Amino acid sequence: IVLTQSPATLSVSPGERVSLSCRASQSVSNLAWYQQKPGQAPRLLIYAVSTRATGVPVRFSGSGSGTEFTLTINSLQSEDFAVYYCQQHHEWPREYSFGQGTRLEIK
Amino acid sequence: QLQESGPGLVKPSETLSLNCSVSGDSISNTGLYWAWIRQSPGRGLEWIGSSYYNGRIYYNPSLKTRVAISVDTSRNYISLRVKSLTVADTAVYFCARQDAMYHYFMDVWGQGTTVTVSS
Repeated sequence: IVLTQSPATLSVSPGERVSLSCRASQSVSNLAWYQQKPGQAPRLLIYAVSTRATGVPVRFSGSGSGTEFTLTINSLQSEDFAVYYCQQHHEWPREYSFGQGTRLEIK
Repeated sequence: QLQESGPGLVKPSETLSLNCSVSGDSISNTGLYWAWIRQSPGRGLEWIGSSYYNGRIYYNPSLKTRVAISVDTSRNYISLRVKSLTVADTAVYFCARQDAMYHYFMDVWGQGTTVTVSS
């Protein structure tokens, strides 16, 4: 399964609301979102499409189903500028894959 | 906590061996997988494989013929071997804890170890 994220780069201002897209080539049942900052490992934000991981601020939310998924960030903070990846689980054959990422940069 | 270790520099055609030491959790936890993921310079994340404590392992089909993951429950670490290396295998290699019950997310990651393939 191929995950396609769009846009590749998004330039936004702090305080704005953004939506990042993740499209799957086949229907998936489990989707997660990660945030990665330079020189760091990815950090889990959202799992099971819409469940926030422990400690993740409420301004992060996930939605979608089937092949179309969205990560929404309300009122962007300076610490939110990073690269975001979606990741899917496919049951049979068992495999996992990541999207190519969306870079969120300060306008 | 997860900590990767291995050689920083390897030659083309050689075999890479990496270890991931797990602390604060048990490799034998039946609700967890232990995964390897890599990230080439300036590129995204690539899943390599996921292992279960009992030896069940799932591999990325594109890497399956060259990689091997093993689990050592007595010493609480997992290992990755990648053979027939090329420069395309240059990457930061991460190990991660992965939910094995329902949602298969990766919630704890090591800091990553950089591997450069060069002669």
